[in-house]
Amino acid sequence: NAGVTQTPKFQVLKTGQSMTLQCAQDMNHNSMYWYRQDPGMGLRLIYYSASEGTTDKGEVPNGYNVSRLNKREFSLRLESAAPSQTSVYFCASSEHTSTEYGYTFGSGTRLTVV
Amino acid sequence: ILNVEQSPQSLHVQEGDSTNFTCSFPSSNFYALHWYRWETAKSPEALFVMTLNGDEKKKGRISATLNTKEGYSYLYIKGSQPEDSATYLCAFNSGTYKYIFGTGTRLKVLA
Repeated sequence: NAGVTQTPKFQVLKTGQSMTLQCAQDMNHNSMYWYRQDPGMGLRLIYYSASEGTTDKGEVPNGYNVSRLNKREFSLRLESAAPSQTSVYFCASSEHTSTEYGYTFGSGTRLTVV
Repeated sequence: ILNVEQSPQSLHVQEGDSTNFTCSFPSSNFYALHWYRWETAKSPEALFVMTLNGDEKKKGRISATLNTKEGYSYLYIKGSQPEDSATYLCAFNSGTYKYIFGTGTRLKVLA
């Protein structure tokens, strides 16, 4: 089925460990995004990529890096995980950026940092 | 800082009741507003994309209206069913690449 695929679905890290969250979409969308979801807060944008070859910081970029590997793939890296990064992470894509098209979300990655 | 607020935070309704909730957003620099439906353990799914003041969109028993001048959108569910139970998110865009999400309204429909 077409859509946004995220891996892994669950992960437990120790403080200081690193990991990369993978995201791929097969809808030929130009724009891709990484959000985090924390209790009592709306989805907050970490980084986005308006098009292949470009990335920009969102609302909460500290402690993260991203790579837009190609049009399909947008990865999120935690270089040195901290307990404050315990969250549910969602990747999303859209055909255009600030237009009338909604996002397609992945199924989420639940990350716990101990 | 742009704020998007949704109310109520949560509500319970009986099966068959109609209900509505609100998304408030900045009334300046409006570009688009999205509504999403988010079931537990799943990912958000787009319901409506609204761009024009006075827009009204409908999908089955769910409809939404938009007032960009006063900065609010209403989502209505007519004859609520248990399968409507979900969190309903709105997201505001002011013409940039970034959508600002509200914290959602959690709806529980009791059979």
